[in-house]
Amino acid sequence: DADVTQTPRNRITKTGKRIMLECSQTKGHDRMYWYRQDPGLGLRLIYYSFDVKDINKGEISDGYSVSRQAQAKFSLSLESAIPNQTALYFCATSDWGAGDSNEQFFGPGTRLTVL
Amino acid sequence: AQSVTQLGSHVSVSEGALVLLRCNYSSSVPPYLFWYVQYPNQGLQLLLKYTSAATLVKGINGFEAEFKKSETSFHLTKPSAHMSDAAEYFCAVSASGAGSYQLTFGKGTKLSVIP
Repeated sequence: DADVTQTPRNRITKTGKRIMLECSQTKGHDRMYWYRQDPGLGLRLIYYSFDVKDINKGEISDGYSVSRQAQAKFSLSLESAIPNQTALYFCATSDWGAGDSNEQFFGPGTRLTVL
Repeated sequence: AQSVTQLGSHVSVSEGALVLLRCNYSSSVPPYLFWYVQYPNQGLQLLLKYTSAATLVKGINGFEAEFKKSETSFHLTKPSAHMSDAAEYFCAVSASGAGSYQLTFGKGTKLSVIP
């Protein structure tokens, strides 16, 4: 079974709709992240969470919100989707302790298309 | 602040030829460095990572990378390309030290392998 899962894997929606992307992990990691990937731009950080009570904005948080429902679950919402939010979205997790490198483990991605 | 530059958004090599993907980084503190690979329609998979233990790092699938502090580089190499190496490769940097959290990615290099 995959350690980091994302649902749905593909989603097509219309402008103005509210969308939620979900991420679950069985790695027992405290830290979780949401990225978006656009061709030629690499991965950009949207939000990150160090634990259930700690949520932080990343590089490109405008138009997005998140919820950390439990250590294992981290959801990304688009309150009112717009076409330029069409992208591939990745969830990732990492553990942190003395000497850890912040190696991140990625889910399979959600391909979102906003028409 | 940290950043990553990957030279060449597309690289083509012949099967059996040397693969060289370039990555330069900037970081105000000693970095951790990573190479991730993304196969079509998949998430990111860790190829290798540098965490200061050794400057020459060996990864999966015959890849290796050398950390050169004087050149602020972490280039990825493989002696002989295989068709299965066709993918997109991302270099990433994370700052070491307490409080570090962010993994900053380069824009990616798409590798094509010509039969």
